[in-house]
Amino acid sequence: DAKTTQPPSMDCAEGRAANLPCNHSTISGNEYVYWYRQIHSQGPQYIIHGLKNNETNEMASLIITEDRKSSTLILPHATLRDTAVYYCIVSPTGANSKLTFGKGITLSVRP
Amino acid sequence: GAVVSQHPSRVICKSGTSVKIECRSLDFQATTMFWYRQFPKQSLMLMATSNEGSKATYEQGVEKDKFLINHASLTLSTLTVTSAHPEDSSFYICSANRDNANEKLFFGSGTQLSVL
Repeated sequence: DAKTTQPPSMDCAEGRAANLPCNHSTISGNEYVYWYRQIHSQGPQYIIHGLKNNETNEMASLIITEDRKSSTLILPHATLRDTAVYYCIVSPTGANSKLTFGKGITLSVRP
Repeated sequence: GAVVSQHPSRVICKSGTSVKIECRSLDFQATTMFWYRQFPKQSLMLMATSNEGSKATYEQGVEKDKFLINHASLTLSTLTVTSAHPEDSSFYICSANRDNANEKLFFGSGTQLSVL
């Protein structure tokens, strides 16, 4: 079973920030928070991951609460191409660390 | 960046035939690859972990004799759906972890299998 909970869907206006929440209250000390997204009929795409510090890359920012029980993925300027299912996953790193996908959150970016 | 190539992207076959799907890591070595299956409007379900040079590890409920996995080299894993039936119709996706990177998975573009 997935160890994260996400709202089923949300939408935002193009050009605005999209803040996608995720709860992972049972996260273990060695588990990272990963975010992937899947555009329709494609394989998932890695976005970002973190352990306890906030992270930022060219795609997004990841804000992890101090108790690590929840996190927020921020797409600073959403575009129509960001419409996808976003998966929040907790997993230890390592070559054999398989990812268990939950239902994810469907983000719809409207013009 | 690292690329995982998956072929074919789409296949239609008759019931009872076998279908082979290839997953290649194009610019990195992958000791471990993962195979997922996704039914319409559902999430990805892990089927098995493919290990180079050894037997694959299957998730509970996945028939190892039906879904044959071969990981003969550090850049290639294959999934063969044997004696396919309509209920095997699904979107199959592979992923690989780059050795010595151990941080994230790279996914193939998926294979849509339709069994008539």
